[in-house]
Amino acid sequence: DIVMTQSPDSLAVSLGERATINCKSSQSVLYSSNNKNYLAWYQQKPGQPPKLVIYWASTRDSGVPDRFSGSGSGTDFTLTISSLQAEDVAVYYCQHYYSTPFTFGGGTKVEIK
Amino acid sequence: QVQLQESGPGLVKPSQTLSLTCTVSGGSVSSGTDYWSWIRQSAGRGLEWIARISPSGSTNYNPSLKSRVTISVDRSKNQFSLNLRSLTAADTAVYYCARGDYSYYWGQGILVTVSS
Repeated sequence: DIVMTQSPDSLAVSLGERATINCKSSQSVLYSSNNKNYLAWYQQKPGQPPKLVIYWASTRDSGVPDRFSGSGSGTDFTLTISSLQAEDVAVYYCQHYYSTPFTFGGGTKVEIK
Repeated sequence: QVQLQESGPGLVKPSQTLSLTCTVSGGSVSSGTDYWSWIRQSAGRGLEWIARISPSGSTNYNPSLKSRVTISVDRSKNQFSLNLRSLTAADTAVYYCARGDYSYYWGQGILVTVSS
């Protein structure tokens, strides 16, 4: 299985400041035939299912504000919230879908400082 | 707008079998290319992908659960289901159904507690 490791476990950021979350996979999730990274990011708020934020490592899902961006390739990925808003408080997860079984990172809790 | 809704028991005894159903509206489990998945979430295991089924019925399972899990589809009811056998307390979790390998549609989840 591909192991997904997120860091940090939690971070507190002031409103309007940048939040950066890292995700590392134990093997590459870049598929060479199409040059796509099979990596997604989700946002989860209490009592709700995860909500897709980013797929293909850097494509924002429909309706996701452009302050969210994803970057990285191969085994190292980053989710950046450029200007943290109060509604962004949540737990964020990375997930690979390169091969089954798909696996998730342990989550990063984002709070307001 | 595609909507998914999980249904099933909230409490199951150890050693019994859990049967969950996901009812899909606004889309068809029989068409397209997206797989339909079951994912669970617990405090101890975090988010855990369980299994997926394609519109044509092709299946994939998490090897850690494969011996106990069956995923199936009922095209007449536009539903897909999960059976998990030989339950233990470690199977206590919120179970979600979802669409797509990067899941852009999720059900609200159903809490399943395994306890005598």
